[in-house]
Amino acid sequence: EVQLVQSGAEVKKPGESLRLSCKGSGYNFANHWISWVRQMPGKGLEWMGRIDSTDSNPKYSPSFQGRVTISADKSISTAFLQWSSLEASDTAMYYCARFGVSHGLDVWGQGTTVTVSS
Amino acid sequence: QTALTQPPSASGSPGQSVTISCTGTSSDVGGYGHVSWYQQHPGKAPKLVIHEVSKRPSGVPDRFSGSKSGNTASLIVSGLQAEDEADYFCCSYAGSDNFVFGPGTKVTVL
Repeated sequence: EVQLVQSGAEVKKPGESLRLSCKGSGYNFANHWISWVRQMPGKGLEWMGRIDSTDSNPKYSPSFQGRVTISADKSISTAFLQWSSLEASDTAMYYCARFGVSHGLDVWGQGTTVTVSS
Repeated sequence: QTALTQPPSASGSPGQSVTISCTGTSSDVGGYGHVSWYQQHPGKAPKLVIHEVSKRPSGVPDRFSGSKSGNTASLIVSGLQAEDEADYFCCSYAGSDNFVFGPGTKVTVL
C-alpha cells in the first residue's frame, strides 16, 4: 500500500525549533516530489513548498520562503519540514503529500498538529 | 502571489448537480493545465478528485468532472450524494515552481 506516515503531534513554545517528518512506503520515494501543505485552524489549504529527494533541492512558496526549511533523505524515504524559531502563528495542521505524475497531490499523510503556545 | 477565488458555499439536493468555480489569472489557472481539485471531510486529510483540469484518479466516481475556460476552472459534482458533503479546494500551478490553493468551498447536500 502506498502511504505517507507523518510524525506525531507537537506542542512547543515560541522560539523553539521543530522538525516534522513524513515517511513514504509502498513506492519508489525518489520518483515523486513531496509537498508540504499548511492548514490553520478552521482555514483553507496553503501550499508551502516541495522537495525532490533526488537532488534535495527545495522550492518554496514566496509566503513561506525563509520561514521554514524543507529537506529529504531518500535513503530512508523521508521528507522533513523544520523551523528554527517557532511563532504562535505557526499553530496549524501540516500535511505532506506526494506529487503524482501530473502535478496532482495524489497521496496525503495523516497530518501533524503543531501547537505553539507560551 | 495572487490568490484563487472560490465561492464560500454551494448546495444541492441529492441527485442534483453542483458546480464550483475557481477563478485565477493568466499567471496561474489560465496559463497552465495544472489545475487540481481536493475533497476534504471534517477532520480528514484532503483527497485528490480531479487533476490536470479534468482527469479523474482511479477510484474517484465519474460523478466528479472538471473543466476550464480562460482563467476559470470548474468542478462539477453530478448526482449529489450525502457523502459528497465536504470542503472542496482548487489548486493551480502558478509558475516558477509555485502552486496556489483556492480558499475552499463548503458543499452542503440538502
